[in-house]
Amino acid sequence: QVHLVQSGAEVKKPGASVRVSCKASGYTFGNYGISWVRQAPGQGLEWMGWISATNGNTDYAQKFKGRVIMTTDTSTTTAYMELSYLEIDDTALYYCARDLHSSGWTPFDSWGQGTLITVSS
Amino acid sequence: EVVMTQSPASLSVSPGETVTLSCRAGQSVSSNLAWYQQKPGQAPRLLVFSASTRATGVPARFSGSGSGTEFTLTISSLQSEDFAVYYCQQYSTWPPCSFGQGTKLEIK
Repeated sequence: QVHLVQSGAEVKKPGASVRVSCKASGYTFGNYGISWVRQAPGQGLEWMGWISATNGNTDYAQKFKGRVIMTTDTSTTTAYMELSYLEIDDTALYYCARDLHSSGWTPFDSWGQGTLITVSS
Repeated sequence: EVVMTQSPASLSVSPGETVTLSCRAGQSVSSNLAWYQQKPGQAPRLLVFSASTRATGVPARFSGSGSGTEFTLTISSLQSEDFAVYYCQQYSTWPPCSFGQGTKLEIK
């Protein structure tokens, strides 16, 4: 079955960068896009962006443009999300999530376990 | 961005009852609407997509309906494992897709 396993929790200082990985298995990696969604403590879900595992095309939420970079490595079936210029308000649980369908805009049918990023001085 | 508004913010219900959660879109999203369930300490789980299609493995007591701007998720005969937070998501206008703020379903 589809499995997404994310890297472990990290603590960063304001202004630093962080890279979160998402190792996929159980399906043909290149056929499905991956989105990144974050959830601040006690808050709702916020979509950050999406990357095609087929060709590397990306769509980022306006809020994160210039600060986020999403990439994939098809040889290791891993997606990455790098967020720079971290602020205190970036403290959140970051999830990767796989597209339900292999084309078009779709919801997400499989999620990683989440990676807690804490930004603190 | 399409703003998604869920109501109520929280709801207290007894097991065995039927509950209806609402989600309103700021503009038409056709049937491009999904519902997720999130339990404490867990990632969200896809319940319904295309407004009314249950995801694989989702019990029949979960049913979605609606189109355009008004959507509902009905849970019949509530089980103890159904008490969680529920989010709606539109994926019609992208980017960004957008989520509602969630409805917390609590045990009475």
